Amino acid sequence: DADVTQTPRNRITKTGKRIMLECSQTKGHDRMYWYRQDPGLGLQLIYYSFDVKDINKGEISDGYSVSRQAQAKFSLSLESAIPNQTALYFCATSDLGTRSGQFFGPGTRLTVL
Amino acid sequence: AQKVTQAQTEISVVEKEDVTLDCVYETRDTTYYLFWYKQPPSGELVFLIRRNSFDEQNEISGRYSWNFQKSTSSFNFTITASQVVDSAVYFCALSEAPGSDMRFGAGTRLTVKP
Repeated sequence: DADVTQTPRNRITKTGKRIMLECSQTKGHDRMYWYRQDPGLGLQLIYYSFDVKDINKGEISDGYSVSRQAQAKFSLSLESAIPNQTALYFCATSDLGTRSGQFFGPGTRLTVL
Repeated sequence: AQKVTQAQTEISVVEKEDVTLDCVYETRDTTYYLFWYKQPPSGELVFLIRRNSFDEQNEISGRYSWNFQKSTSSFNFTITASQVVDSAVYFCALSEAPGSDMRFGAGTRLTVKP
């Protein structure tokens, strides 16, 4: 089984709809992250959480919110989706001692029409 | 502020050629960590290597090698005798601690033609 899972893997929605992307991990890591990937821009950090009671904004948090329901779960919400939020979204996890940086989920491809 | 620049947007080579992907970084931290990730056409991100700022030894892993030079703030990645399966987008990234938030470069798309 995958260590970091994301649901859904693909989603098409309409402008103005509320969308939630979910991330679960079995690695036991405290730290979790949400990134979005746009062509030519690499990955940009949206939000991150160092433990259940800690939530921090990243580079591009406007239009997004998150919820850390448990150590293993970190959800990303788009309260009112807009077309320029069409992107590939990655969840990642890590611990300070992780030699390989962050472990990434398989990604969620979101299209906002 | 931290910044990672991958100036090469796309590179195309013919199989068996050697290719170097450039990565230049900026940071005010005296201790930091550099990473390379591979993103094949299937979309997942695959960890390749982590390098600490206090360890400037170059590393070789099979056909892959990495050249870390603090003097020029560069962490370049070379693939020797490239293969079609090396076709992917490669990202360089920087963080202040191994499990900390990371700053990614824009990526270099490598196409290896048969």
